Amino acid sequence: DAGVTQSPTHLIKTRGQQVTLRCSPKSGHDTVSWYQQALGQGPQFIFQYYEEEERQRGNFPDRFSGHQFPNYSSELNVNALLLGDSALYLCASSLGAFGGSANEQFFGPGTRLTVL
Amino acid sequence: AQSVTQPDIHITVSEGASLELRCNYSYGATPYLFWYVQSPGQGLQLLLKYFSGDTLVQGIKGFEAEFKRSQSSFNLRKPSVHWSDAAEYFCAVGDWFSGGYNKLIFGAGTRLAVHP
Repeated sequence: DAGVTQSPTHLIKTRGQQVTLRCSPKSGHDTVSWYQQALGQGPQFIFQYYEEEERQRGNFPDRFSGHQFPNYSSELNVNALLLGDSALYLCASSLGAFGGSANEQFFGPGTRLTVL
Repeated sequence: AQSVTQPDIHITVSEGASLELRCNYSYGATPYLFWYVQSPGQGLQLLLKYFSGDTLVQGIKGFEAEFKRSQSSFNLRKPSVHWSDAAEYFCAVGDWFSGGYNKLIFGAGTRLAVHP
């Protein structure tokens, strides 16, 4: 049973460019959450997708957008990259329709984005 | 606002010594609490979680944590540390939004070094 997978592993971009990160959830999971982890900090919630819609959003600008596909995989898009967007981007999957332990989130290895 | 505080940025222990990592939370309702571990270049792995019931929670790799509501704490412990436990440890609280679906609010992490 494959866990959460993310691609690419590493990415280098320059300021002003756009980037797309991809995530495939754990088998059987229907909900994908994205987190940004800056160096030396804990992960911060960006947004969560369920049934192909953004269900909740953290304190991130509109430059950060996402998408969820019918197979539950997800993309994170960041436009007009800034130096401060350099971080590890983590994807987490879970079962979204129930509360309690069913909502446990399983994390992928992350995509390391460097903005020059 | 909900928050998680990990007072210790770095902790160094000798192999075989006991370990306690501190975590304090601020949350208006009964919290769902988690401890994750992150090794270099890896995603987050769940060590243990507290949803309800017994306040002493057992996890993987010999870790345990105790929920103390009166102190708003959820400290992680291990009786005897192994060199392979060197990693970054994150405490998190599950924040429930409408519909009962959670996002995770993380502390800044504690980096554990183990001396032979």
